[in-house]
Amino acid sequence: GDSVTQMEGPVTLSEEAFLTINCTYTATGYPSLFWYVQYPGEGLQLLLKATKADDKGSNKGFEATYRKETTSFHLEKGSVQVSDSAVYFCALRGNTGTASKLTFGTGTRLQVTL
Amino acid sequence: GAGVSQSPRYKVAKRGQDVALRCDPISGHVSLFWYQQALGQGPEFLTYFQNEAQLDKSGLPSDRFFAERPEGSVSTLKIQRTQQEDSAVYLCASSFRVTSGGADEQFFGPGTRLTVL
Repeated sequence: GDSVTQMEGPVTLSEEAFLTINCTYTATGYPSLFWYVQYPGEGLQLLLKATKADDKGSNKGFEATYRKETTSFHLEKGSVQVSDSAVYFCALRGNTGTASKLTFGTGTRLQVTL
Repeated sequence: GAGVSQSPRYKVAKRGQDVALRCDPISGHVSLFWYQQALGQGPEFLTYFQNEAQLDKSGLPSDRFFAERPEGSVSTLKIQRTQQEDSAVYLCASSFRVTSGGADEQFFGPGTRLTVL
């Protein structure tokens, strides 16, 4: 079945540092890929998405590129801020079976300090 | 409302009790999903509705779990004879359309945190 593996946290960075959170997936066919973010005390929010190979999703300074050859969708940001502290979830949505359901990774907690 | 709402936000139940969790999706959204999120884990799919039809219930962990959406809007997730392993956050999400393999955004509610003692 479909699965998502993402790097374990917590990840602790100083403000303005470069961020990478690794995500790899296993799926049949051509899934859509997502990054969701959960800020403290809030619900899951979509951060960015990509629907086909080589697509780059971007939002709020975050980027991720859909790499089919390495089955990866790593999240990057050039300069993190304290306000980016949150839990980040990589997810996929397959295009077979129940196409609409999301399969999530276990989440990576990011802590940004001054 | 502007977003997906869920109630109650917190529920404490004694083992063996029945519980009902409510989800109000965004008005007009066709698709509705329930997910279960255990502590320190990512959400896991439970069930999916398209309007009032339950099209996929493959993620429900046992026959103690039951979901309904009788009028294609509000949904209720019911757990009978709760067990300690049912303790988790239950998330509801809705999306406007049904797209096969597409990237239609799912909007999540704040979740109901269920604790079974």
